Amino acid sequence: ETGVTQTPRHLVMGMTNKKSLKCEQHLGHNAMYWYKQSAKKPLELMFVYNFKEQTENNSVPSRFSPECPNSSHLFLHLHTLQPEDSALYLCASSQTPLTSDTQYFGPGTRLTVL
Amino acid sequence: GQNIDQPTEMTATEGAIVQINCTYQTSGFNGLFWYQQHAGEAPTFLSYNVLDGLEEKGRFSSFLSRSKGYSYLLLKELQMKDSASYLCAVRDQTGANNLFFGTGTRLTVIP
Repeated sequence: ETGVTQTPRHLVMGMTNKKSLKCEQHLGHNAMYWYKQSAKKPLELMFVYNFKEQTENNSVPSRFSPECPNSSHLFLHLHTLQPEDSALYLCASSQTPLTSDTQYFGPGTRLTVL
Repeated sequence: GQNIDQPTEMTATEGAIVQINCTYQTSGFNGLFWYQQHAGEAPTFLSYNVLDGLEEKGRFSSFLSRSKGYSYLLLKELQMKDSASYLCAVRDQTGANNLFFGTGTRLTVIP
């Protein structure tokens, strides 16, 4: 596989469930990102990891918990979500976060919270 | 903070030219990106501007004026497959060099 992949592509969960989103990048990049994309809203940056270290947490509620075991993999653990958390969750990667490097996006996970 | 504005929707005819504008206000401008996003798909990189002027890449061109806080994406010889959302994003040094996105412009190309 090439580029940035995300699984699952679609997820429906109840408010009491626990689930995880997975992202993998095959580009040899060192920085990875989670974004939230809601209808009619700009992409919102959630988390940034640089060389496996979290460098940004954009005031995200604790019911979202990221994990970056290595530079190629990024997870977003979800628990006790709210219906307003329903959105498209996009993962991206770039060579580093501190230059003009382009971010490359995965196809996203469409999350629906019932 | 960052304030990025672009039109919500545009319609253009196949074969024509369309210009999508983006205005921004940031404290520490450090580059502007344009992405294309088809419905249900990943945003894909189109162009990057950090200096004033026009960057041309095939049918797509992007222009930047830093003094005016203004950019546009120009699409020539429109094709039906160009129907998509076009996202303007600004990198802000004071925002940890993160990307800040506009809401996107949904372009519909009609025959």
